[in-house]
Amino acid sequence: EAGVVQSPRYKIIEKKQPVAFWCNPISGHNTLYWYLQNLGQGPELLIRYENEEAVDDSQLPKDRFSAERLKGVDSTLKIQPAELGDSAVYLCASSSGWSTQGGELFFGEGSRLTVL
Amino acid sequence: AQTVTQSQPEMSVQEAETVTLSCTYDTSESDYYLFWYKQPPSRQMILVIRQEAYKQQNATENRFSVNFQKAAKSFSLKISDSQLGDAAMYFCALVMIYNQGGKLIFGQGTELSVKP
Repeated sequence: EAGVVQSPRYKIIEKKQPVAFWCNPISGHNTLYWYLQNLGQGPELLIRYENEEAVDDSQLPKDRFSAERLKGVDSTLKIQPAELGDSAVYLCASSSGWSTQGGELFFGEGSRLTVL
Repeated sequence: AQTVTQSQPEMSVQEAETVTLSCTYDTSESDYYLFWYKQPPSRQMILVIRQEAYKQQNATENRFSVNFQKAAKSFSLKISDSQLGDAAMYFCALVMIYNQGGKLIFGQGTELSVKP
């Protein structure tokens, strides 16, 4: 079974440029998460989807960040315009019936963003 | 609000020895899961071990075991017979069963190095 796939793995951009990250969750997983991980810190939730609905986006900076999950499968996280402080790793995770599956989230390898 | 605290930014252990990583948490709810996740340099988070709060028995997975003290809100990870492949960042995480839809709250992480 394929795991959570993210792309690109690495992205370097100039500040004020836009950037997008893509995530393909594990097949059948209806819950998808985007986490932000700053260097040397634990991940923090940005947004959670149940199918195609964003059910928790309270931590998403909506002035510059946006996300979508079309058809309840793949998801894209966008930043426009990027700022120096956005340099971090963006992690995607998915789960299926997490409360009955013991709460486990499956993570992708992440997308490392460097803003110059 | 729930919090997770890992007070050891770095730990070191000799190969084949035992090491314990500490974690404390805070929540007013009684139904939750606790996890230890491992994040190797490739950055993909991997579940190491899981503990259901309603279970008094400490979870064990091969060389990994936990000491779960619910009243003290403490959840430490013991790694026995440490191996070079155990070197990684370890994150303690908490999730509520009935609220927040699988939102993991992570600690700051402990970087474990294993000396040959």
